[in-house]
Amino acid sequence: GIQVEQSPPDLILQEGANSTLRCNFSDSVNNLQWFHQNPWGQLINLFYIPSGTKQNGRLSATTVATERYSLLYISSSQTTDSGVYFCAVGGASGGSYIPTFGRGTSLIVHP
Amino acid sequence: DGGITQSPKYLFRKEGQNVTLSCEQNLNHDAMYWYRQDPGQGLRLIYYSQIVNDFQKGDIAEGYSVSREKKESFPLTVTSAQKNPTAFYLCASSVGTDTQYFGPGTRLTVL
Repeated sequence: GIQVEQSPPDLILQEGANSTLRCNFSDSVNNLQWFHQNPWGQLINLFYIPSGTKQNGRLSATTVATERYSLLYISSSQTTDSGVYFCAVGGASGGSYIPTFGRGTSLIVHP
Repeated sequence: DGGITQSPKYLFRKEGQNVTLSCEQNLNHDAMYWYRQDPGQGLRLIYYSQIVNDFQKGDIAEGYSVSREKKESFPLTVTSAQKNPTAFYLCASSVGTDTQYFGPGTRLTVL
């Protein structure tokens, strides 16, 4: 199956700092998502981005499918950005989306 | 509001007991998924279902069972054969190969 590696595993920032999270994957993929898991465990979808670049407020993401990586940018970080960020990649298997999750990047933003 | 609900939020199980976790969605999604998350880990796929009355094993199906009798519902039973069931369980749904949406999760503890 597809291998997904996320880096760094842990990240500590001061409020207002910028950061880049990376997701490398081992094979061609048809789908890629970025999620944020808050301290209560809820996963929120940030981006569906199998290729190209998207932006949503202070967050943006870029996937370079030909080079098998995706980047999540967080600008002007806030304490509410704390949590774990997951990358999930996958392809269509019998018409269903079967993603493989990375182990995540744990982000702590200090005030 | 459309979304995914999981119940209960917390569940305690004695050794040798079977327990069932509920997952309901009103998003009219065909595909539904169950994941297990252990502390500091990513999500691992237990079972998934692409259509009513059909489901497939994921990476860690041993000791678990599911049913998909209705489009809206995908309950997970943790059987006594699951040797280490203490974990956080997450249910998700999607339409086709697009974005996944997650429920709030159930924390299962074995006493």
